[in-house]
Amino acid sequence: AQKITQTQPGMFVQEKEAVTLDCTYDTSDQSYGLFWYKQPSSGEMIFLIYQGSYDEQNATEGRYSLNFQKARKSANLVISASQLGDSAMYFCAMREARTDSWGKLQFGAGTQVVVTP
Amino acid sequence: DVKVTQSSRYLVKRTGEKVFLECVQDMDHENMFWYRQDPGLGLRLIYFSYDVKMKEKGDIPEGYSVSREKKERFSLILESASTNQTSMYLCASSLGLVRTGELFFGEGSRLTVL
Repeated sequence: AQKITQTQPGMFVQEKEAVTLDCTYDTSDQSYGLFWYKQPSSGEMIFLIYQGSYDEQNATEGRYSLNFQKARKSANLVISASQLGDSAMYFCAMREARTDSWGKLQFGAGTQVVVTP
Repeated sequence: DVKVTQSSRYLVKRTGEKVFLECVQDMDHENMFWYRQDPGLGLRLIYFSYDVKMKEKGDIPEGYSVSREKKERFSLILESASTNQTSMYLCASSLGLVRTGELFFGEGSRLTVL
């Protein structure tokens, strides 16, 4: 069964606007971590932000913030003030506690973001 | 900076050929991973390793094997390549037992099997 669901295959956003990328997850573990990665057209995967399941505050990293709603099992990424360089594929991923030692991540299908001038 | 290097960015092979994809990391990470990326499916874990000579199957190990003879090197082997193994292959590494434990990825190897 799919553990990470990203329902938006692609979206356009205008430069300087904010964009929200949806991610829902499925786990029965109490301890888990949620990640967002960016993959530009060049192919490398860039780590953006991390949220632990016990973290009380939503994670933020510069223009990236994670809207974590534990009861809804939702971990949406918000990019503020979009820039042309934000055009990329974005992946949501999860690490469950029982595999924490090995650091396995399970990824969603991704959302392609295109930022327009 | 952590560097994960994959030996080939692009490969073209014929059906039935044996294919080696090499990955080297320079940060003394314990964990190494091979993922496969396909459009609409995201990244799927093929194999991972948490120590030298140790390996564990991921979600889609069929048709693949791996080798980890040295801590810094993790190889993915396709014993007999098939057209359905045409894909982007991503190697990653991470430290074990740290709070975030994010994966550091290589640039990927795009394999085409004819």
